[in-house]
Amino acid sequence: EAQVTQNPRYLITVTGKKLTVTCSQNMNHEYMSWYRQDPGLGLRQIYYSMNVEVTDKGDVPEGYKVSRKEKRNFPLILESPSPNQTSLYFCASKTQGLAGELFFGEGSRLTVL
Amino acid sequence: AQSVAQPEDQVNVAEGNPLTVKCTYSVSGNPYLFWYVQYPNRGLQFLLKYITGDNLVKGSYGFEAEFNKSQTSFHLKKPSALVSDSALYFCAVRDIGFGTNAGKSTFGDGTTLTVKP
Repeated sequence: EAQVTQNPRYLITVTGKKLTVTCSQNMNHEYMSWYRQDPGLGLRQIYYSMNVEVTDKGDVPEGYKVSRKEKRNFPLILESPSPNQTSLYFCASKTQGLAGELFFGEGSRLTVL
Repeated sequence: AQSVAQPEDQVNVAEGNPLTVKCTYSVSGNPYLFWYVQYPNRGLQFLLKYITGDNLVKGSYGFEAEFNKSQTSFHLKKPSALVSDSALYFCAVRDIGFGTNAGKSTFGDGTTLTVKP
């Protein structure tokens, strides 16, 4: 089954404790992206990757890091989480090119205390 | 800069009635347009897209949307709503021009659709 898998789905952590949210897709997609969803703000792009070893900032990259060492994986790293990073995070992937639709993971709800 | 507006936070309809969820967009070049649906505690799922050709596009679960270039709109419609259609709906635009936003997807803030029995 074609899917984007995120882990963990739910996480409560404390300010400053580094964490990683993993994302893996099995569709051989070149493009992957991270979004955060906040009430009244829709989805905002954090980082995206056009292919292996190619990443770029989205609209709200501050406080986040990513890497793309393998085509299927695109982890999101919060080096020193802060309460304003409490949010619902989605990983998505799609084929290269402009017409493809995004395939989303189930989401990771992060709370930073 | 490209943008998407979903002017209604909430749309309420009775089961069996037609529904419309509105979306307007702004891009510098030509747009590709998408609708996604999000059920509670789930990720977004693709519903339909406009790329080129017929302005009326049909998608999953009986939904359709009409691209109107002059009004820069891409409203989502369904002739007869079901209770199971209740969800959060997102419109998204992708600029296919050559500017700095080329290829980037921008999402609206979402519209919550509630269909009552």
